[in-house]
Amino acid sequence: SYELTQSLSVSVALGQTARITCGGVNIERKNVHWYQQKPGQAPVMVIYRDQNRPSGIPDRFSGSNSGKTATLTISRAQAGDEADYYCQVWDSSTVVFGGGTKLTVL
Amino acid sequence: QITLKESGPTLVKPTQTLTLTCTFSGFSLSTNGVSVGWIRQPPGKALEWLALLYWDDDTRYSPSLKNRLAITKGTSKNQVVLTMTHMDPVDTGTYYCARSSEELTIKFDSWGQGSLVIVSS
Repeated sequence: SYELTQSLSVSVALGQTARITCGGVNIERKNVHWYQQKPGQAPVMVIYRDQNRPSGIPDRFSGSNSGKTATLTISRAQAGDEADYYCQVWDSSTVVFGGGTKLTVL
Repeated sequence: QITLKESGPTLVKPTQTLTLTCTFSGFSLSTNGVSVGWIRQPPGKALEWLALLYWDDDTRYSPSLKNRLAITKGTSKNQVVLTMTHMDPVDTGTYYCARSSEELTIKFDSWGQGSLVIVSS
C-alpha cells in the first residue's frame, strides 16, 4: 500500500517561513492535498491539488510538488498557524494520509 | 453553507458493532462526483481513512479494515451511515465524516466536528 512520509515536527520563528514536506514514491505524479488541524478541532483543507488554496485560506499558505517531495510552505508564520498538518493523496482507490507534522511557532 | 455532523454512541463495548450516522446539508449526494468519507483519529495520533461512499452508491474501503466496515446511505437522503463490527479498545478515537466534491481525486473540503467513540467494557 502507498505510504506518505512526514517529519514529526517543524519549528519556525514568528514571521519566518515554514516548510513542511511530504514524501512518497512518484509523489510528483499525484495530486497532494494538505490539511491543518488545531487542537480539539476538525481538520481544515488548506491546499488542494498540490498548489491551490480554497477560498478563505490566506495566501501565506502555498504548495508545491516536484522531485520526490510535496511541500507546504507557510510564509510570515503566525502564532495561529501552530497546528498539526497532514498531507493526503488518492492512490489505487484508497485515501492515504501522511503521519502528520506538528508545527511550532517560536 | 455546507455542514456535516456525526452522531452515534460515545461508549461501545468490545466485540460490539458501532453504528455512526453522518447528517449533512448544503450539498447533494446525488450530484456527480460527490462522495462522503469517514476518517478516524485515535487520541494523539494521525488521521486514518476508513471508507468512502460515492454519489452512485459505489464504495471504497481501507484495505486493512474492509472486512469490518460497511458504508451506506441512510434512510434520509442527507445521511450516510458507517458500521464497524468487532469493536476493540484500539478503535477508540474521534470519528469524522467529510465531503469530497471531485471524482478524479478525493479531497475532503468540508468536515464534521467529529464524534468521540470509546471502546471499553
